[in-house]
Amino acid sequence: QKEVEQNSGPLSVPEGAIASLNCTYSDRGSQSFFWYRQYSGKSPELIMSIYSNGDKEDGRFTAQLNKASQYVSLLIRDSQPSDSATYLCAMRFSGGYNKLIFGAGTRLAVHP
Amino acid sequence: EAGVVQSPRYKIIEKKQPVAFWCNPISGHNTLYWYRQNLGQGPELLIRYENEEAVDDSQLPKDRFSAERLKGVDSTLKIQPAELGDSAVYLCASSSPYELTGPSSGANVLTFGAGSRLTVL
Repeated sequence: QKEVEQNSGPLSVPEGAIASLNCTYSDRGSQSFFWYRQYSGKSPELIMSIYSNGDKEDGRFTAQLNKASQYVSLLIRDSQPSDSATYLCAMRFSGGYNKLIFGAGTRLAVHP
Repeated sequence: EAGVVQSPRYKIIEKKQPVAFWCNPISGHNTLYWYRQNLGQGPELLIRYENEEAVDDSQLPKDRFSAERLKGVDSTLKIQPAELGDSAVYLCASSSPYELTGPSSGANVLTFGAGSRLTVL
């Protein structure tokens, strides 16, 4: 089992819709989770971090964490074509301080 | 504030040749990472430094890969000899010390450089 699993997509949504990206992880001890956005040919950039169960909202983005189910999600409201990118889910490995483990990413395509 | 700086951005070499990548982290970031990202995959950690000490190099192919971080600032990653399967993007990232901020702090999140794209022919 991979430590961080994501559906590779592509996830295609119309402009203005809600995009829902999901991620499951295997390390029960992990406390820190991150969503990075990566445009084609660019490096990952952090868009959300979440450490507690529940929802965390930042503008059009909402991260959701359920530690009991080992599940993290990212919702993007009012999706825009500029949101088209690969979204990488990452967790800080509990046994290794600053070791960040990434999923393979979900490709999101927002069409006009 | 300057971000994480990497060079070269692109490198094309023939197999069996050596190659080196350089990284300058964000000022004050004691933790430096080298990740490798294959096409369609997420970044995979190769090595992590806390200051000048390599604290996690379990996934670094030590027969051909080496890294150093002299003086705890800049770092170089070397491959010698390169193989076809080494074609990938090599990402450097840095973060502030985990010990000072704890697991629930946003201060020690990773910031990536632009990456070095390696093509081995």
